[in-house]
Amino acid sequence: GDSVTQMEGPVTLSEEAFLTINCTYTATGYPSLFWYVQYPGEGLQLLLKATKADDKGSNKGFEATYRKETTSFHLEKGSVQVSDSAVYFCALSDRGGGFKTIFGAGTRLFVKA
Amino acid sequence: DTGVSQDPRHKITKRGQNVTFRCDPISEHNRLYWYRQTLGQGPEFLTYFQNEAQLEKSRLLSDRFSAERPKGSFSTLEIQRTEQGDSAMYLCASSLSGGAASDEQFFGPGTRLTVL
Repeated sequence: GDSVTQMEGPVTLSEEAFLTINCTYTATGYPSLFWYVQYPGEGLQLLLKATKADDKGSNKGFEATYRKETTSFHLEKGSVQVSDSAVYFCALSDRGGGFKTIFGAGTRLFVKA
Repeated sequence: DTGVSQDPRHKITKRGQNVTFRCDPISEHNRLYWYRQTLGQGPEFLTYFQNEAQLEKSRLLSDRFSAERPKGSFSTLEIQRTEQGDSAMYLCASSLSGGAASDEQFFGPGTRLTVL
């Protein structure tokens, strides 16, 4: 079945450092790909998404490009802030799967001032 | 802002008791999903509805779990004879079918269940 694998955390960075969180997926169809973020004490929020190959999703300085050839959707940000400290989930949703969302295990990010 | 709401936010119960959670989706959304999230893991799909019809159930959803969505509006998730392994965050999400945004789900804040 469909699955998502993302890098284990925690990831600890200093403010203004470059962030990459790796994500790869397995899917039988043509899924949409997502990054969700969960801030401490809050619910899941959609950070960005891409619906087809080579699409780039972006939001709040974060970017991820849908790479079908490598089945990847890595999250990047050029300069992280303390306020970016959260848990980040890579996910996919497949029309053939009724649009249920399959999540990775999450990567916790700590950003130090 | 009328996002997805869930009630209660926290529930502590004793093993063997029954519990029921409620989810109110975004009003125009016809799809509603339930997920379970345990500590340190991503959410896992449990079941989903399109309008009032329950279209898919995960193998994770044992016979002790039942979900309903009468009239295609709010939904309830009931767990009978709770076990300590049921302790988790139960998340509800909703979406609108059709069109380019039909795969985008909006999540509620979750109900945290603790079974003692």
